Amino acid sequence: EVQLVESGGGLVQPGGSLTLSCAASGFDFANFWMTWVRQAPGKGLEWVANIKHDGSGRYYVDSVKGRFTVSRDNAKSSLYLHLNSLRADDTAVYYCARTMAGPYYSDYWGQGTLVTVSS
Amino acid sequence: SYVLTQPPSVSVAPGETATITCGGLNIASKSVHWYQKRPGQAPVLVIYYDTDRLSGIPERFSGSNSGDTATLTINRVEVGDEADYFCQVWDSRTDQVFGGGTKLTVL
Repeated sequence: EVQLVESGGGLVQPGGSLTLSCAASGFDFANFWMTWVRQAPGKGLEWVANIKHDGSGRYYVDSVKGRFTVSRDNAKSSLYLHLNSLRADDTAVYYCARTMAGPYYSDYWGQGTLVTVSS
Repeated sequence: SYVLTQPPSVSVAPGETATITCGGLNIASKSVHWYQKRPGQAPVLVIYYDTDRLSGIPERFSGSNSGDTATLTINRVEVGDEADYFCQVWDSRTDQVFGGGTKLTVL
């Protein structure tokens, strides 16, 4: 059974940093692209970042470029999102998802972790 | 950037057919995927590649894509189908793009 479990969310002050983790199981993690998607309170889904199966390519939505970094450790079947220079509008539930390269749809999702940026 | 436009809300009675649209410039040239999102739950992929259903998704869910509009159709709507629905495509300039979402209300 495919499982994705996010962790690391919490309350952080504006300008602060946080690292989210996503533990994957039930599939060959090293063969799949992975994605971070977020949903701010009362808003829709927003794609945040993708990372290729081997980490050789990383892609970001414009609003997080230079502030967020996606990474992975295939030996640990883990995905990460490093969030820096956080702003109030980064407040959201962050989901990790397994993504099919090419058509770029995400077929399995975690339950999400909440990041709240507030002083 | 590529923009996907969805109606904010759709309301139907149980047993009727719900039609949720997703508008985008020449969207027929892209693969459209649809997700169901219930409050407090993870998104669920219901339709991919315009028309394919993920295993376990009822046959009542179907998709189409033509011209500037993709459509998610839910036949014989049930109370349990009440959720937000999001369309998504990949664009070479903006990577993965989601529509704004449509709230399906089952009256």
